[in-house]
Amino acid sequence: GENVEQHPSTLSVQEGDSAVIKCTYSDSASNYFPWYKQELGKGSQLIIDIRSNVGEKKDQRIAVTLNKTAKHFSLHITETQPEDSAVYFCAASTDDKLIFGTGTRLQVFP
Amino acid sequence: DTGVSQDPRHKITKRGQNVTFRCDPISEHNRLYWYRQTLGQGPEFLTYFQNEAQLEKSRLLSDRFSAERPKGSFSTLEIQRTEQGDSAMYLCASSPGTRKYFGAGTRLSVL
Repeated sequence: GENVEQHPSTLSVQEGDSAVIKCTYSDSASNYFPWYKQELGKGSQLIIDIRSNVGEKKDQRIAVTLNKTAKHFSLHITETQPEDSAVYFCAASTDDKLIFGTGTRLQVFP
Repeated sequence: DTGVSQDPRHKITKRGQNVTFRCDPISEHNRLYWYRQTLGQGPEFLTYFQNEAQLEKSRLLSDRFSAERPKGSFSTLEIQRTEQGDSAMYLCASSPGTRKYFGAGTRLSVL
């Protein structure tokens, strides 16, 4: 079955710097890759997603890149702000159920 | 539209008791999913409904677990004879197609 690995597990950056989180997946049939931001008491917010027919997608300060050949995808956050501090999860999907990575705790220091 | 709603937010129970959680999806979303998340891990798929039909169940869903979506709207997840290993966050998500929107979850603590 599908397996998703996510790195790093923790990431600390200075406000204004960029943050990059990387994920690899095992099932080459995976065709949908969302990213979720999880904050205590707020649940998981879908922040960006990409489908396998697209290599890159950007939404303001957030971007996701996908390399199907290498089976990895990455989340890029530019100009980080303290409110970006949260746990971020990547996921991959083949047959409508999401397989999640183990999460990255991002801390943005003012 | 207030998003996916889960009730209760927290549940503390004693081992051996039965518990039931409720999920109200975003209106008109025909797909509803249950996931379980333990500390330090990502959510793990449990089961999935399209309208009222339960289409898939994970092997994580033992026979003590049952889920229903009787009218294709809200869903319930029941755990019978709870065990300490059932302690986790139970997440519900709904979807009109591919994108899935999660609720805040029900945190279960089994003492």
